[in-house]
Amino acid sequence: DQQVKQNSPSLSVQEGRISILNCDYTNSMFDYFLWYKKYPAEGPTFLISISSIKDKNEDGRFTVFLNKSAKHLSLHIVPSQPGDSAVYFCAASAHQAGTALIFGKGTTLSVSS
Amino acid sequence: DGGITQSPKYLFRKEGQNVTLSCEQNLNHDAMYWYRQDPGQGLRLIYYSQIVNDFQKGDIAEGYSVSREKKESFPLTVTSAQKNPTAFYLCASSKLDTDTQYFGPGTRLTVL
Repeated sequence: DQQVKQNSPSLSVQEGRISILNCDYTNSMFDYFLWYKKYPAEGPTFLISISSIKDKNEDGRFTVFLNKSAKHLSLHIVPSQPGDSAVYFCAASAHQAGTALIFGKGTTLSVSS
Repeated sequence: DGGITQSPKYLFRKEGQNVTLSCEQNLNHDAMYWYRQDPGQGLRLIYYSQIVNDFQKGDIAEGYSVSREKKESFPLTVTSAQKNPTAFYLCASSKLDTDTQYFGPGTRLTVL
């Protein structure tokens, strides 16, 4: 059973608008969440993370929001740029250092100019 | 520059042959990981290692083997027992006191 779910396989947004990527999780032990960006045939690149003691973390155009009661997090990209077109993976951890992350299946973001 | 390297970028193997994928990091990270990505799928964990000479199975370890003789290196062998080896393989590493993993560029393995 999937512990980390990205229910939207794809998202299309116009340049300059906001992109919102969503992620749901089922394991209440998860206390650290990350977003990765991946281009085809390349390794994922770390974007931004959030600890469960926070409900928001911001880094430039990227903001991650965490709603623990709903077991939901979202990544906001404002403004969206064509170079943001990629697959975005949500990942979660129970914060046992050195253990593996649990990944969602990814959402493909397409930003049109 | 510090980073993670994987070689080769593309690898072709005949059915029934074992093949070893290389992963090296110079980030001084203690933990290293191997994931597999299939089309439309997330990253699935094959093996991980937190310390030299020790490693643990992930969710899909069958048909794979690893070694961790040096802190910098974590090679993955895809054996002939792996039923569907064609995939994109990703290596990652992290410090022990953080959950953020950093990935290499990946190796695409195709079994002919």
